[in-house]
Amino acid sequence: NAGVTQTPKFRVLKTGQSMTLLCAQDMNHEYMYWYRQDPGMGLRLIHYSVGEGTTAKGEVPDGYNVSRLKKQNFLLGLESAAPSQTSVYFCASSSMAGVETQYFGPGTRLLVL
Amino acid sequence: RKEVEQDPGPFNVPEGATVAFNCTYSNSASQSFFWYRQDCRKEPKLLMSVYSSGNEDGRFTAQLNRASQYISLLIRDSKLSDSATYLCVVNDDGSGTYKYIFGTGTRLKVLA
Repeated sequence: NAGVTQTPKFRVLKTGQSMTLLCAQDMNHEYMYWYRQDPGMGLRLIHYSVGEGTTAKGEVPDGYNVSRLKKQNFLLGLESAAPSQTSVYFCASSSMAGVETQYFGPGTRLLVL
Repeated sequence: RKEVEQDPGPFNVPEGATVAFNCTYSNSASQSFFWYRQDCRKEPKLLMSVYSSGNEDGRFTAQLNRASQYISLLIRDSKLSDSATYLCVVNDDGSGTYKYIFGTGTRLKVLA
């Protein structure tokens, strides 16, 4: 089992460019999450999904969109990247919300110039 | 007040020492609590869940104090490999919702 994988691992964007981050899990988990981690701050939830075809906003959703067309994949899109979106992005999945362990992907480091 | 607060450290301890971290949370309705470990430039990984009665896993002991709204992590006989950042994670309101609240982490350095 690969667990949770993320692509790409690292990316540099110019302000205004767009990109999509891909998260894939092979654990048949219903719940998937996108977080960002910035220095001095805890992981903050961007968007999440409670099942295939569903998405919802988290704590810091502005500037991001998501889609979950297949249960195993959760995509995070940046339509027009801004320097404030420079961060490390982690995807996670869990079998249940709240009471079960979250499994994290290795992260994507994004630098927006 | 932050929803989940941790002392950022760093805690510098010699090998073999015992070290304890505390984490306070603001929502008294929270039901699920976890400690995660995060190595430098890596993803968080579950260290242990925290149960009401307290629980132990080898050299690691986790405690929950609902009255004072804090959880603790005790590491005995510290190893060099324990050097990492320890994240306190609290489920938002115990209703089975999606929301996990992460602390900013406590950094531990175990010195030879």
